[in-house]
Amino acid sequence: AQKVTQAQTEISVVEKEDVTLDCVYETRDTTYYLFWYKQPPSGELVFLIRRNSFDEQNEISGRYSWNFQKSTSSFNFTITASQVVDSAVYFCALRLIQGAQKLVFGQGTRLTINP
Amino acid sequence: DAGVIQSPRHEVTEMGQEVTLRCKPISGHNSLFWYRQTMMRGLELLIYFNNNVPIDDSGMPEDRFSAKMPNASFSTLKIQPSEPRDSAVYFCASRPTGKSYEQYFGPGTRLTVT
Repeated sequence: AQKVTQAQTEISVVEKEDVTLDCVYETRDTTYYLFWYKQPPSGELVFLIRRNSFDEQNEISGRYSWNFQKSTSSFNFTITASQVVDSAVYFCALRLIQGAQKLVFGQGTRLTINP
Repeated sequence: DAGVIQSPRHEVTEMGQEVTLRCKPISGHNSLFWYRQTMMRGLELLIYFNNNVPIDDSGMPEDRFSAKMPNASFSTLKIQPSEPRDSAVYFCASRPTGKSYEQYFGPGTRLTVT
């Protein structure tokens, strides 16, 4: 069975600080996808990024960056120079490439950026 | 392009009543998923369809829950009879044809059963 753990339930920082959201996953399969979704106060789930297990390259998109390390089964998400609009609940998720097509989500990290 | 459409956005009903949630996936997407979000259990998959056929319904809590997808552009999730513990946000998501990548989520239906 697959499992995703986001140990940080809530994080609160002041605007412009950098913040890292942790994600650790468990699976016996060697091929899988990892995702991050954002859930702003309005409630919808917004796709942020997908990585597959073959590609450990880190990725940067503007103020967002992701660090994927298979050796530690982690897929961490860093927001640089945080802004109030980044306040949301962030979910990490895993899906196998073969077999079960469902997304297995972590419990989410509630991020609050204070002005 | 329109995203995944769900209706109603909010539903308040009394225990024992039948509730029907509706979803219109993004045109051309051949996979559709129903998820439920609660404080206790987080986000969990209830059922998913591929080409209108239910593939995995192992997440459906009990026989009170049923889902259908009569055609490629419409799906329903029905709860009969509803109970207070069914109160949650129900999300529908669809996935592009030919891609095995990200799912696109609808805005969700917030269900409250009193």
